[in-house]
Amino acid sequence: DSGVTQTPKHLITATGQRVTLRCSPRSGDLSVYWYQQSLDQGLQFLIQYYNGEERAKGNILERFSAQQFPDLHSELNLSSLELGDSALYFCASSQGSPRNTIYFGEGSWLTVV
Amino acid sequence: AQRVTQPEKLLSVFKGAPVELKCNYSYSGSPELFWYVQYSRQRLQLLLRHISRESIKGFTADLNKGETSFHLKKPFAQEEDSAMYYCALRGGGADGLTFGKGTHLIIQP
Repeated sequence: DSGVTQTPKHLITATGQRVTLRCSPRSGDLSVYWYQQSLDQGLQFLIQYYNGEERAKGNILERFSAQQFPDLHSELNLSSLELGDSALYFCASSQGSPRNTIYFGEGSWLTVV
Repeated sequence: AQRVTQPEKLLSVFKGAPVELKCNYSYSGSPELFWYVQYSRQRLQLLLRHISRESIKGFTADLNKGETSFHLKKPFAQEEDSAMYYCALRGGGADGLTFGKGTHLIIQP
């Protein structure tokens, strides 16, 4: 158990819908990262937050957004869903300094039908 | 720009044989390199980081700055080593990870 908790574990929704994925980082970790894992694209970095502020942005679509709350949990919002958004979405956390290890959650499986 | 290349999508070896998973990177500064392992689409687990210079589950990896490589090696493969292996790089101002596409390692009995 890495200590990073993600909910829901599985989610099936229809095209055009909006979903929210939730992540609770390890106790004491200030940084949260979101990654998308799909069969064709592999692991893609989406976005990183540190202590409530956006720190780095990767290949995140405009239909997607994220935030980190004062209690440090984070949510990834995916809207106007398309079939191609079906993927495993990982959250990861670290203490936030460059040398700190990044720990991953178990992921949220999103299937868009 | 930083990039991680894992040239083999799939690697199949027999139990007891040596294993080498290749990883090459592109980065202008001094990167930090990692290997993560993922069993059956579960969460990614950190296997090795180059600054630790340790051996986990019999695996080792050496950073070769001249060849910009960080290959993962194990002298004798075991069936439980079957998994997806991802090489990752961290560098620059942000401390996120850039991953390679991964190598699916299959250990045949």
